[in-house]
Amino acid sequence: AQSVSQHNHHVILSEAASLELGCNYSYGGTVNLFWYVQYPGQHLQLLLKYFSGDPLVKGIKGFEAEFIKSKFSFNLRKPSVQWSDTAEYFCAVNARPNNRLAFGKGNQVVVIP
Amino acid sequence: NAGVTQTPKFRVLKTGQSMTLLCAQDMNHEYMYWYRQDPGMGLRLIHYSVGEGTTAKGEVPDGYNVSRLKKQNFLLGLESAAPSQTSVYFCASSYSGASGANVLTFGAGSRLTVL
Repeated sequence: AQSVSQHNHHVILSEAASLELGCNYSYGGTVNLFWYVQYPGQHLQLLLKYFSGDPLVKGIKGFEAEFIKSKFSFNLRKPSVQWSDTAEYFCAVNARPNNRLAFGKGNQVVVIP
Repeated sequence: NAGVTQTPKFRVLKTGQSMTLLCAQDMNHEYMYWYRQDPGMGLRLIHYSVGEGTTAKGEVPDGYNVSRLKKQNFLLGLESAAPSQTSVYFCASSYSGASGANVLTFGAGSRLTVL
């Protein structure tokens, strides 16, 4: 079964700082990759996804992620965060053709105004 | 456009009591899922369904049962609640198919406390 690792569970940074959240997975085959975001008091929403093609994918609110197959990684980045980016971020992976997503433990990001 | 609706949003139970969480989706999705979210643990899959009348176990199925009698509904039951089942429960659904199956739409969550 695939597993997903997210590091630095708690991240605190100031507005305008750059953000990078790491995600590594353990599966050697073809995968679909996702980042979901959960704003305080809300449900999870899709931030971005990678199925195939350009390994650099862009999502909503200025986020992007890069799939590096050789490193089994799908790191999330944002060049300049805002206070409204305070949220918990989850990386998720599924191994095709399996329809079950495996989630990482999440990164709690707090942006200080 | 309701999306995925979970009821109830909050519930407090005593150990040993039973209850059912209801998930309803109006997007004609084939796949439905129940996850639990615990601090520092991320989301863990309890049970899922790939179509009406079918269910399957996820990572943490013990203590839970599910039913998918209608395509739009996915019920999660706790027959004898335990304090370890205190959690926030999320239902999700998705289309079938290679590219659509994994883009999940989540409900707002149901916070369950077992005393």
